[in-house]
Amino acid sequence: GENVEQHPSTLSVQEGDSAVIKCTYSDSASNYFPWYKQELGKGPQLIIDIRSNVGEKKDQRIAVTLNKTAKHFSLHITETQPEDSAVYFCAASRRGNNRLAFGKGNQVVVIP
Amino acid sequence: EAGVAQSPRYKIIEKRQSVAFWCNPISGHATLYWYQQILGQGPKLLIQFQNNGVVDDSQLPKDRFSAERLKGVDSTLKIQPAKLEDSAVYLCASSSLRGLYPDTQYFGPGTRLTVL
Repeated sequence: GENVEQHPSTLSVQEGDSAVIKCTYSDSASNYFPWYKQELGKGPQLIIDIRSNVGEKKDQRIAVTLNKTAKHFSLHITETQPEDSAVYFCAASRRGNNRLAFGKGNQVVVIP
Repeated sequence: EAGVAQSPRYKIIEKRQSVAFWCNPISGHATLYWYQQILGQGPKLLIQFQNNGVVDDSQLPKDRFSAERLKGVDSTLKIQPAKLEDSAVYLCASSSLRGLYPDTQYFGPGTRLTVL
């Protein structure tokens, strides 16, 4: 089955700086890559997703890039704010089913 | 639009006891998922329903876990008997599954289970 890995496990950034989290996946048939943000005591919340027919997608301060050849995708957060502090999960699934394989998560800490 | 609802939010039981969790998906969503999230890890799919039929339960420990989705709306997940390693957050998610393309999954707040 699909295997998704995230790096780094913990990331500390100064407020206003950028944060980048990278994920790699193993299944070349995967075609959908969402990113979820999870705050303490809450369920994961979708923040952005990308499908394999595009290489980049942006939504205000958040962007995701996909490199299908290298089988990795990255989350970029610009102008970080304290409320961006959370655990971020990447996931992948393939055409024909909705099974999401999640990474282990990255703890992002934004230092005021 | 109301989100995915789950109850209870917290549950503490002793090993070998039974427990049940309830989920109400977003209105109109045909697909419902139950995930297990162990502390420090990403969610792991236990079972997926489309309407009231099971699509994928390959990762459900069927000797102790069961789930049902009567009438294709609400769902319950049961554990009987519980083991210490079942301590986790149980997340419910739903999606509209409009076609072959994977569709966006929306998660509820989860139920935190502690087995003593």
